[in-house]
Amino acid sequence: EAQVTQNPRYLITVTGKKLTVTCSQNMNHEYMSWYRQDPGLGLRQIYYSMNVEVTDKGDVPEGYKVSRKEKRNFPLILESPSPNQTSLYFCASSLAGRLDEQFFGPGTRLTVL
Amino acid sequence: SQQGEEDPQALSIQEGENATMNCSYKTSINNLQWYRQNSGRGLVHLILIRSNEREKHSGRLRVTLDTSKKSSSLLITASRAADTASYFCAPISGGSNYKLTFGKGTLLTVNP
Repeated sequence: EAQVTQNPRYLITVTGKKLTVTCSQNMNHEYMSWYRQDPGLGLRQIYYSMNVEVTDKGDVPEGYKVSRKEKRNFPLILESPSPNQTSLYFCASSLAGRLDEQFFGPGTRLTVL
Repeated sequence: SQQGEEDPQALSIQEGENATMNCSYKTSINNLQWYRQNSGRGLVHLILIRSNEREKHSGRLRVTLDTSKKSSSLLITASRAADTASYFCAPISGGSNYKLTFGKGTLLTVNP
């Protein structure tokens, strides 16, 4: 089944403890991106990647890192999480960039205490 | 990237009624996409309409695009309780900017 998977789905952590949220797609998509969704602020793009080893900042990249070493994986790294990073995170992928239909993962609900 | 602005922010209707949501944007587009999000879940792509198209249908969904007014509308006919969700538009410009921006969406509630 074609899908985007994220792990973990739920995470409660403490300020400053490094964490990684994994994202994987099995559709051989070139474009992958991360979003955070907060009440009243909608969906905001954090980082995106056009292909392996090609990443760039979205609208809210501060406090996050990404890497794209393989086509299928696009992990989101929070080196030192803070409470303002408490949010619902989504990974998405598409075959040919933002002009194309985006496939979203199920989401990761992160709470930073 | 540009952000679409959905209107209204919230809409409540009875089952069987039609629901219309609107999206406005600022600059010329390559295409415009509509997505649905059930509470707390990932967005699901509904329909893509290209800049040279004026209307597109998919099941009970009808999307129109007016590039002169820089606006689009999504019509859901004969709504069902299962249509309760947030709906987002994404106006996609061409060019080398690879960012993708979503608006705040329209929350549709369909009452049984």
